[in-house]
Amino acid sequence: GAGVSQSPRYKVAKRGQDVALRCDPISGHVSLFWYQQALGQGPEFLTYFQNEAQLDKSGLPSDRFFAERPEGSVSTLKIQRTQQEDSAVYLCASSLGWGGNSPLHFGNGTRLTVT
Amino acid sequence: KQEVTQIPAALSVPEGENLVLNCSFTDSAIYNLQWFRQDPGKGLTSLLLIQSSQREQTSGRLNASLDKSSGRSTLYIAASQPGDSATYLCAASTQGGSEKLVFGKGTKLTVNP
Repeated sequence: GAGVSQSPRYKVAKRGQDVALRCDPISGHVSLFWYQQALGQGPEFLTYFQNEAQLDKSGLPSDRFFAERPEGSVSTLKIQRTQQEDSAVYLCASSLGWGGNSPLHFGNGTRLTVT
Repeated sequence: KQEVTQIPAALSVPEGENLVLNCSFTDSAIYNLQWFRQDPGKGLTSLLLIQSSQREQTSGRLNASLDKSSGRSTLYIAASQPGDSATYLCAASTQGGSEKLVFGKGTKLTVNP
């Protein structure tokens, strides 16, 4: 079956440009997460959605980062006025339920390079 | 604030060896502990999820244990194979309704034929 799909796979942006990263979760999955993974590090939490509701955005590094999931399925992570420190792999994950009882299914990520 | 540490950072073993990967966490009030595998350039694959009320979980050649009181989890891999080569990450979710996971930096495992 289809897994979590992320696009684009790679994105190169010039400093100051806006970018939008897309995540298609597994159909029917209620929970959706965004994580940021720097080279050689573990993923760091950015934000969490339960259906269309953004329940936790405590990990978003600044107000340049914005995420939405308007219909409770596809999600977009937008970064405005990109900076070099935004360069990382952005991972999306979904799970069937909530409450920490369901394993997470990750996409392959979008590698963002800001030049 | 929950912090997760994994030791060693890298491990190289010959094929067929049994091995243990270690994970420690600072806040014992966890909701669950998960182990993931990450292949180069890929996302993470969930291996095992241990609820806070459980002591261990098993899947095939993998066995994960959880000791909340000591803040430790181990992933045991039996009869290692070259295909097991990957980075293994553990992650803890903390009680209190938060869904987020706090990850360690991972252990890079190489199994040599």
